[in-house]
Amino acid sequence: DIVMTQSPSSLAVSAGETVTINCKSSQSLFWSGSQMNYLAWYQQKPGQSPKLLIYYASTRQSGVPDRFIGSGSGTDFTLTISGVQAEDLAVYYCQHHYDSLPLTFGSGTKLEIK
Amino acid sequence: EVQLVESGGGLVQPGSSLKLSCVASGFTFSSYNMHWIRQAPKKGLEWIALIYYDSSNKYYADSVKGRFTISRDNSKNTLYLEMNSLRSEDTAMYYCARNYPGIPYWGQGTLVTVSS
Repeated sequence: DIVMTQSPSSLAVSAGETVTINCKSSQSLFWSGSQMNYLAWYQQKPGQSPKLLIYYASTRQSGVPDRFIGSGSGTDFTLTISGVQAEDLAVYYCQHHYDSLPLTFGSGTKLEIK
Repeated sequence: EVQLVESGGGLVQPGSSLKLSCVASGFTFSSYNMHWIRQAPKKGLEWIALIYYDSSNKYYADSVKGRFTISRDNSKNTLYLEMNSLRSEDTAMYYCARNYPGIPYWGQGTLVTVSS
């Protein structure tokens, strides 16, 4: 199984600050056939279902604000939220969507707004 | 608009069975692989099952293999999860979700509580 390790587990920032969340996979998520990294990021607000923010490591899902930026390749990935807003209060998960089951998620990063 | 609406959750005793349903709309259901993913209270996300668009392949997490069965009826745009021999550790919100890429669409979830 591919193990997804996220850090930090929680963080608290003031509105307007920039946040960085890290995700490391136990094996490379890069597939040379497509030249893509099969890594997704989700946002789960309290009481809601998860929402896809980013796929293929850096492709923003339709409708996602451009302050959410995904980067990285191979085994190391980052979600950056530039200019955090109060509405970004949520738990963020990374997930590999490589063609290898089981699909696995990171343990989550809880973002709190001071 | 893509919609996934789960139903069938509830409070059941350990060892019992339950069947969840997920009705899909807003897309060509028969063209997409579908997942069940669950989330225990205050915990993270756990993928538990995948079914191909034509039911040709089904895959399960080790935690549910042999106890849960995923199925679909493309004529009814409906995904199912039959759960047998339920355990307390199966207590969770169960989401149906559509592939791909990543998991762009999730239902609102149906809560399953296994307790005596």
